[in-house]
Amino acid sequence: QKEVEQNSGPLSVPEGAIASLNCTYSDRGSQSFFWYRQYSGKSPELIMFIYSNGDKEDGRFTAQLNKASQYVSLLIRDSQPSDSATYLCAVNSYTGRRALTFGSGTRLQVQP
Amino acid sequence: DVKVTQSSRYLVKRTGEKVFLECVQDMDHENMFWYRQDPGLGLRLIYFSYDVKMKEKGDIPEGYSVSREKKERFSLILESASTNQTSMYLCASSTHVVNYNEQFFGPGTRLTVL
Repeated sequence: QKEVEQNSGPLSVPEGAIASLNCTYSDRGSQSFFWYRQYSGKSPELIMFIYSNGDKEDGRFTAQLNKASQYVSLLIRDSQPSDSATYLCAVNSYTGRRALTFGSGTRLQVQP
Repeated sequence: DVKVTQSSRYLVKRTGEKVFLECVQDMDHENMFWYRQDPGLGLRLIYFSYDVKMKEKGDIPEGYSVSREKKERFSLILESASTNQTSMYLCASSTHVVNYNEQFFGPGTRLTVL
């Protein structure tokens, strides 16, 4: 089992809809969670991070964390074609390694 | 504005050559990382460093070495490049501080080994 799992997609949504991206992780000791966006040929850029159970909102983006169920999600409201990218979930488990563990990413396509 | 820079965006080398990839960050971060990214395999950690002259192996260190002589600079070395090392290489940095340790990435170096 991979440490951080994401559906590879593509996830296709119409413009203006809500895109829901999901991520599950295996290490119950995980404490911090990050969502990165990566456009084709570019490097990942941080969108949001979350540490506490519940929701965290930033503009059109909402991160949701449920530690009991070991999943974290990213909602994108009013999706735009410019949101089309690969979204990477990353987890820091504090198991002695300071590096994040990344999922393989979900490709999102927003149809105009 | 935070900044991580990498020495080259594109690099073409021949099999057997020694290759140096340089990364510099201006955020005074303690941690620095080297990843490679391949289609379908995601980001894979090669090496990381949490202090000057300190290094730790990541998940795929074979065929690579690293050097960190100064806090702001982290170099990845391919001792004898092989075609299976053709990939996108990404450098990242982060602070030590718990709950503020998001990684910031450089623009990447696309390396082709012929």
